[in-house]
Amino acid sequence: SQQGEEDPQALSIQEGENATMNCSYKTSINNLQWYRQNSGRGLVHLILIRSNEREKHSGRLRVTLDTSKKSSSLLITASRAADTASYFCATDRNTDKLIFGTGTRLQVFP
Amino acid sequence: DAGVIQSPRHEVTEMGQEVTLRCKPISGHNSLFWYRQTMMRGLELLIYFNNNVPIDDSGMPEDRFSAKMPNASFSTLKIQPSEPRDSAVYFCASSPRGGPDTQYFGPGTRLTVL
Repeated sequence: SQQGEEDPQALSIQEGENATMNCSYKTSINNLQWYRQNSGRGLVHLILIRSNEREKHSGRLRVTLDTSKKSSSLLITASRAADTASYFCATDRNTDKLIFGTGTRLQVFP
Repeated sequence: DAGVIQSPRHEVTEMGQEVTLRCKPISGHNSLFWYRQTMMRGLELLIYFNNNVPIDDSGMPEDRFSAKMPNASFSTLKIQPSEPRDSAVYFCASSPRGGPDTQYFGPGTRLTVL
């Protein structure tokens, strides 16, 4: 079964609002990454957080990791219409393999 | 940098036909991954290579699927014979040194098997 599951499955917000997506996983991990996928395109890496980190920032993105709860969240602040995409978390466990979650479809309305 | 290149971008074929998908990873990357994405099953890792050697093919659905990486700049994923349930988007990704590391995805090949 898939390692990660995101919620919500879909999220609709207005431009300027913040978007929060959550990812839960089942087993211990080394690192957790977030990727974005625009419709009809490949995935694009956003940010990587290591298991010994609790929070990481990159521009308008903020990622948190709670290894005790086996969960992570991705916050996009001041969202824009261009942020409309699907967002996936991906985990690895000391191997080269990434296990992707089910994704959250984000729609940002102008 | 051209990024990961996949061909063809779209493939429509009839059940029973052989399908070959191609991938050129980013130059200098040591790891290559093949994924399949469907609405029902999400994004699944099929197989990955390190330094042209297959490391884990546990995600390959069945013997109809095979993958090769004859050199550092080229890989193929072959389905023979193809079936309608193979319809999906197939992505190739490469990584500088494997995990834990960023993977760079190609644009994908949308396969439709009639």
